Amino acid sequence: EVQLVESGGGLVQPGGSLRLSCAASGFTFSRYCMNWVRQAPGKGLEWVANIKYDGSEEYYLDSVKGRFTIFRDNAKNSLYLQMDSLRAEDTAVYYCARAPIDYGDSYYFDYWGQGTLVTVSS
Amino acid sequence: SYELTQPPSVSVSPGQTASITCSGDKLGNKYACWYQQKPGQSPVVVIYQDNKRPSGIPERFSGSNSGNTATLTISGTQAMDEADYYCQAWDSGTVVFGGGTKLTVL
Repeated sequence: EVQLVESGGGLVQPGGSLRLSCAASGFTFSRYCMNWVRQAPGKGLEWVANIKYDGSEEYYLDSVKGRFTIFRDNAKNSLYLQMDSLRAEDTAVYYCARAPIDYGDSYYFDYWGQGTLVTVSS
Repeated sequence: SYELTQPPSVSVSPGQTASITCSGDKLGNKYACWYQQKPGQSPVVVIYQDNKRPSGIPERFSGSNSGNTATLTISGTQAMDEADYYCQAWDSGTVVFGGGTKLTVL
């Protein structure tokens, strides 16, 4: 059974940093592109970043470029999101999500974690 | 940057057909997918690659994509289908979501 379990959320002051983790199990993690998607309270879904299966390429939402870094440790079956210079508008539930192995031009998320809440407030 | 537009809300009577649209420039030239999200839960994909249903998704869910509009259709809508629905596409390596549509079954 595929499982994605996020952790690391919490309350942080504006300008602070936080690192989110996503522990993957039930599939060969090193073969899949992985993503972070967030959802502000009462708002819609917003893709944040993704990373290729081998870590060779990363893409980011424009508003987090230069502040957030996505990385992975395939030996530990884990995905991470390092968030620096946090702003109030980064407050959201952050989901770890997997793209299917053979997505081709049809990129979507076939499995999601349960999410971890990040609150940026003084 | 690429944008997808959905109606904020759609209402449907039980047993009737619900249609939720998603508009974007030349969206028909990309693949669209749809997610269902119920309160307090993570999203679940109900349609991918325009019109494919993952295993376990009821046949009443279908999708189409042409021109500038993708459409999610729910035939014989049930009370359990009441949820938020999001379309999503992939453009130049980045992922874009629509703003979401709240489907009310009443």
